[in-house]
Amino acid sequence: EVQLVESGGGLIQPGGSLRLSCAASGFTVSSNYMSWVRQAPGKGLEWVSVIYSGGTTDYADSVKGRFTISRDNSKNTVYFQVTSLRDEDTAVYYCAREHRTGADYWGQGTLVTVSS
Amino acid sequence: EIVLTQSPATLSLSPGERATLSCRASQSVSSFLAWYQHKPGQAPRLLIYDASNRATGIPARFSGSGSGTDFTLTISSLEPEDFAVYYCQQRSNWPPVSFTFGPGTKVDIK
Repeated sequence: EVQLVESGGGLIQPGGSLRLSCAASGFTVSSNYMSWVRQAPGKGLEWVSVIYSGGTTDYADSVKGRFTISRDNSKNTVYFQVTSLRDEDTAVYYCAREHRTGADYWGQGTLVTVSS
Repeated sequence: EIVLTQSPATLSLSPGERATLSCRASQSVSSFLAWYQHKPGQAPRLLIYDASNRATGIPARFSGSGSGTDFTLTISSLEPEDFAVYYCQQRSNWPPVSFTFGPGTKVDIK
């Protein structure tokens, strides 16, 4: 059974950093594209980053230079290092497995709250 | 950067009625478009990929159509569990790469 479990969210002050984790089971992350998507309170979904099966990465302009996606193949886990956090980064962060032109499996999300 | 526009913002319908949701792209995305259903407190659910292919386990009352810049998600007969927010998402593989979402259409009970 395919499963994605996120962790690492929490309350953090502006300018702070966190590392989000997405532990996968039932498939191999290194054979798939994996994305992070977030939803701020009362807002819609926002795609923020992807790591391709080959290991290259892409980011939305809103997080480029501040956030870094990576993976550990031995742990079958995807990470999202979020730094220089701002109030507007407050959101539920989801990881998702990409399939063709859609994301077919999602985690339940981890909440990041940026506040002083 | 490709921008997606969804209409209407809110659709008020009764169970059993047909729902037609629109997604328009600012430039062609070919068939690189997906539709999702999202309910509060839950993860988004993939409904349609490649513009018109139903994802695994999705009921036949959901259908997608379109290509280029204009896309439609149709729910042929609304069930009580279909009241939710629906998002389209595009995949742009040429710089700048973006997998952007539309702003969403809320389908609520009339």
